Amino acid sequence: GAVVSQHPSWVICKSGTSVKIECRSLDFQATTMFWYRQFPKQSLMLMATSNEGSKATYEQGVEKDKFLINHASLTLSTLTVTSAHPEDSSFYICSVGSVGDYEQYFGPGTRLTVT
Amino acid sequence: GENVEQHPSTLSVQEGDSAVIKCTYSDSASNYFPWYKQELGKRPQLIIDIRSNVGEKKDQRIAVTLNKTAKHFSLHITETQPEDSAVYFCAAGGFQKLVFGTGTRLLVSP
Repeated sequence: GAVVSQHPSWVICKSGTSVKIECRSLDFQATTMFWYRQFPKQSLMLMATSNEGSKATYEQGVEKDKFLINHASLTLSTLTVTSAHPEDSSFYICSVGSVGDYEQYFGPGTRLTVT
Repeated sequence: GENVEQHPSTLSVQEGDSAVIKCTYSDSASNYFPWYKQELGKRPQLIIDIRSNVGEKKDQRIAVTLNKTAKHFSLHITETQPEDSAVYFCAAGGFQKLVFGTGTRLLVSP
């Protein structure tokens, strides 16, 4: 399977600031990248899907202007949480996939705490 | 869109017993059904998956069954061990999207 990394693994930021999370596919040409959010003791909720070179497709209820996703290459996608608020505190996990492959390969996650 | 329900939310078993977790899905177009194990603070780990053209799949102590007509699938773990303790998620979907179940916290007591 693919090796996926995320950076940072954890981050604390102040309310109103922005924070960027990187997702890298180290050995896999990720034509599709997914971003999930997981609140404590809850399930993974898909936030958006991005295909390399295209705009991300956001799930209903996810603000595209607040959660900016960029998938500039087959190995890198970024999620920027703009004007963060305490309710944005969560575990953000990316995954990667490719055309014709059902399996998604998950990154280790980034724990965001907004104070 | 797809909706996945998962039961039970918690499951406690004695070491050596079997554990069964059940999921139902709503979208008949879903054709991929993976199961993940997630430990606290870690990424979901794929333990087994099944596609819609197969009714059952087994990998050592783990098996998954799929009933497309009834739109439900189940995870079976036999001879449970304390290290099986974790949260298990089912998911349903296809190439471009997976919808996750609500999770089952499995506790295996020695």
